[in-house]
Amino acid sequence: DGGITQSPKYLFRKEGQNVTLSCEQNLNHDAMYWYRQDPGQGLRLIYYSQIVNDFQKGDIAEGYSVSREKKESFPLTVTSAQKNPTAFYLCASSYNSKREKLFFGSGTQLSVL
Amino acid sequence: ELKVEQNPLFLSMQEGKNYTIYCNYSTTSDRLYWYRQDPGKSLESLFVLLSNGAVKQEGRLMASLDTKARLSTLHITAAVHDLSATYFCAVAGETSGSRLTFGEGTQLTVNP
Repeated sequence: DGGITQSPKYLFRKEGQNVTLSCEQNLNHDAMYWYRQDPGQGLRLIYYSQIVNDFQKGDIAEGYSVSREKKESFPLTVTSAQKNPTAFYLCASSYNSKREKLFFGSGTQLSVL
Repeated sequence: ELKVEQNPLFLSMQEGKNYTIYCNYSTTSDRLYWYRQDPGKSLESLFVLLSNGAVKQEGRLMASLDTKARLSTLHITAAVHDLSATYFCAVAGETSGSRLTFGEGTQLTVNP
């Protein structure tokens, strides 16, 4: 079945540590996105990529980094510079960047130890 | 900057009742989405509204779009407990491609 796979489902970060969240899709979508969701709030865009080897900052990119070396994969690294990383992270993809419907993964809950 | 506001943010209703969730947005857009999220889960697409006057219905939910008023509504008819979830609207500005701006969400609880 086609879809978006995020892993791990739960992740714990120690202070000063970088952690990487995985996002893989087999939908043959060009565009991929990372959103952050805090409790009781909507989603905020961290980074997005419209094509392989290219990505742009979203609204809250500070303290995060991404790469897009393959069409299927768009990992997100939460660096030690992100002082408040506890949140639910959602990866999404769309066929292209020209206003197509987003498909979401199942999410990763990141917590700080 | 595109802003999206939903109201109410919390809604508790009895089974069998009707209610409407409102989504206002601040700049021109021709594409609006409604999503459902169950606790701890991902977002499920409900409706895509593409033009002024668009109306979509699925079961007990009906969504509409008025681009002139920059307003979308999600109407719930004869609510049932299974509809309990958080509902988000999301808007793509005319020049923002698939970059969606989300509302804060409306947490709906349907009580027996």
